[in-house]
Amino acid sequence: SAVISQKPSRDICQRGTSLTIQCQVDSQVTMMFWYRQQPGQSLTLIATANQGSEATYESGFVIDKFPISRPNLTFSTLTVSNMSPEDSSIYLCSVVGGRELAGSTDTQYFGPGTRLTVL
Amino acid sequence: AQSVTQPDIHITVSEGASLELRCNYSYGATPYLFWYVQSPGQGLQLLLKYFSGDTLVQGIKGFEAEFKRSQSSFNLRKPSVHWSDAAEYFCAVGLSGGYNKLIFGAGTRLAVHP
Repeated sequence: SAVISQKPSRDICQRGTSLTIQCQVDSQVTMMFWYRQQPGQSLTLIATANQGSEATYESGFVIDKFPISRPNLTFSTLTVSNMSPEDSSIYLCSVVGGRELAGSTDTQYFGPGTRLTVL
Repeated sequence: AQSVTQPDIHITVSEGASLELRCNYSYGATPYLFWYVQSPGQGLQLLLKYFSGDTLVQGIKGFEAEFKRSQSSFNLRKPSVHWSDAAEYFCAVGLSGGYNKLIFGAGTRLAVHP
């Protein structure tokens, strides 16, 4: 099956700064998503990362705060901008489809997550 | 609106005991249903899924789940729990399989006593 990696695995950042999180898949996938998991909470979809075009954001999330890129079928980045302590969360990417995941084309597979702490 | 409810926030069982984690969903059509497990400091791992067909589905690590349309439920079961099963379990509904957003329940944290 495909291997999904995220960088960094964790980080501690100062208020007002920005952090870019990378999601890399070792094979081409159809779709990529970004989720947020706030402390002690469940997962909430931030946006769908669209290859070669602007991401599709869920209600409550905006591009200025969470810019997303997806330059190709194996890579995406999520930036958390102008961070505040409320942004402290685990950020996870997920992927669907692709040759390596051909046996489960209707299933999202998740990366290991990036644990972000904002001071 | 679509929603997923996991009524039990914490469950503690003894090793070797049976386990049932509850999940109820609200969705207008036939849902795509998933169970994921998150071990401490890890990402989410898929345990099993239901799209259609046999309402009793088998997953990895000895888990199974049963889809009951009349009860809008998709409960996860395991006949004998191992200490390594201690983790957080999430039920999720997909609006069009996995090709769209997943709506997650709040999660159930499982503790296993030796």
